[in-house]
Amino acid sequence: DGGITQSPKYLFRKEGQNVTLSCEQNLNHDAMYWYRQDPGQGLRLIYYSHIVNDFQKGDIAEGYSVSREKKESFPLTVTSAQKNPTAFYLCASSILGGGNTGELFFGEGSRLTVL
Amino acid sequence: GDSVTQMEGPVTLSEEAFLTINCTYTATGYPSLFWYVQYPGEGLQLLLKATKADDKGSNKGFEATYRKETTSFHLEKGSVQVSDSAVYFCALNEIQGAQKLVFGQGTRLTINP
Repeated sequence: DGGITQSPKYLFRKEGQNVTLSCEQNLNHDAMYWYRQDPGQGLRLIYYSHIVNDFQKGDIAEGYSVSREKKESFPLTVTSAQKNPTAFYLCASSILGGGNTGELFFGEGSRLTVL
Repeated sequence: GDSVTQMEGPVTLSEEAFLTINCTYTATGYPSLFWYVQYPGEGLQLLLKATKADDKGSNKGFEATYRKETTSFHLEKGSVQVSDSAVYFCALNEIQGAQKLVFGQGTRLTINP
């Protein structure tokens, strides 16, 4: 089945440690996105990428890093510089160009807890 | 910049009640509009969408109409069920721009039997 796979689903981290969240899609979508969800604040965009080897900062990129070495993969690293990393992280993808209605397809999310 | 404002929750209704969740937006262009639903511990699923003014999106008994004159996209359902309990997000996407979704803060809906 086509879709977006995020792993791990749950992750615990000690303060000062970096952690990488995986996101893989087999939808052949050009664009991929990372959002952060906190209670009562909706979803906020961290980074996005429209093409391999290129990505753009979203609204809250500080303390995060990404790479896009393959079309189907867009891992997110939460660094020790992120002051409040405990959150639910959602990866998404979309088509670009003709036929694009702006819809994003989401993975099941990864919940990161900093101890 | 673009923004979405939706009705604050939580909203609690009895089964078979009528539901309205208000959503208004601010955008520089002509965005597509969406309602997403999130069940506990899961990602977001698209509920319905509308891509131009006066379009009505519908799915699973839910409806929303793209009103350009009032910059609104209110979600309605005539008779809710316990299984509709979830968090609902209104969102917009300016396809001509950076092509990223901008979300409202979400509305938690609880339906009691």
